[in-house]
Amino acid sequence: KAGVTQTPRYLIKTRGQQVTLSCSPISGHRSVSWYQQTPGQGLQFLFEYFSETQRNKGNFPGRFSGRQFSNSRSEMNVSTLELGDSALYLCASRSLRDTTQGDFGPGTRLTVT
Amino acid sequence: GENVEQHPSTLSVQEGDSAVIKCTYSDSASNYFPWYKQELGKGPQLIIDIRSNVGEKKDQRIAVTLNKTAKHFSLHITETQPEDSAVYFCAAFILTGGGNKLTFGTGTQLKVEL
Repeated sequence: KAGVTQTPRYLIKTRGQQVTLSCSPISGHRSVSWYQQTPGQGLQFLFEYFSETQRNKGNFPGRFSGRQFSNSRSEMNVSTLELGDSALYLCASRSLRDTTQGDFGPGTRLTVT
Repeated sequence: GENVEQHPSTLSVQEGDSAVIKCTYSDSASNYFPWYKQELGKGPQLIIDIRSNVGEKKDQRIAVTLNKTAKHFSLHITETQPEDSAVYFCAAFILTGGGNKLTFGTGTQLKVEL
């Protein structure tokens, strides 16, 4: 079966701009989680959405937000971009039956200049 | 909150040797410990996991052990092959049936040399 897909794969933005990233979960999965990966901070949890509701949130400023649509696809938005937001943004999905976290998508590489 | 420490940060082994990566966690309530392998240009892929009611789990050349008392868990790869070269992450979280929030270790760059 198809895995988690993320678009776009690469993105270059300028400080102060905003960006929207998209994640399509594995078919049948209704939970989507987002993570930020940087060399300095490693993998950090951003938030999780289930049935269009945010269920869990990490320690990130309010500039980071997300949403989930009725088809379980999710988007995350970062407003007023800072240089430190340059990172690989990963999402992962799971079904309601899974209490574990499976594979991640390939990520979106965001570069802020 | 949970804190996961991972060692070593880099590990170089000869093909056919074993590799061991160790992690410690801080929150005694954590009850699920997955390991991920991340290859260049890809997202992390789950390779093995263990729940807190199990002390050891094995899947072919990969095994994970858990010491709840010491809050330690380890990944063991035997008969390493060049394709095992990647970054490995350990993680911990609490299975409550509610929200999912993995806390990751800082990663180990494993290099298997011919």
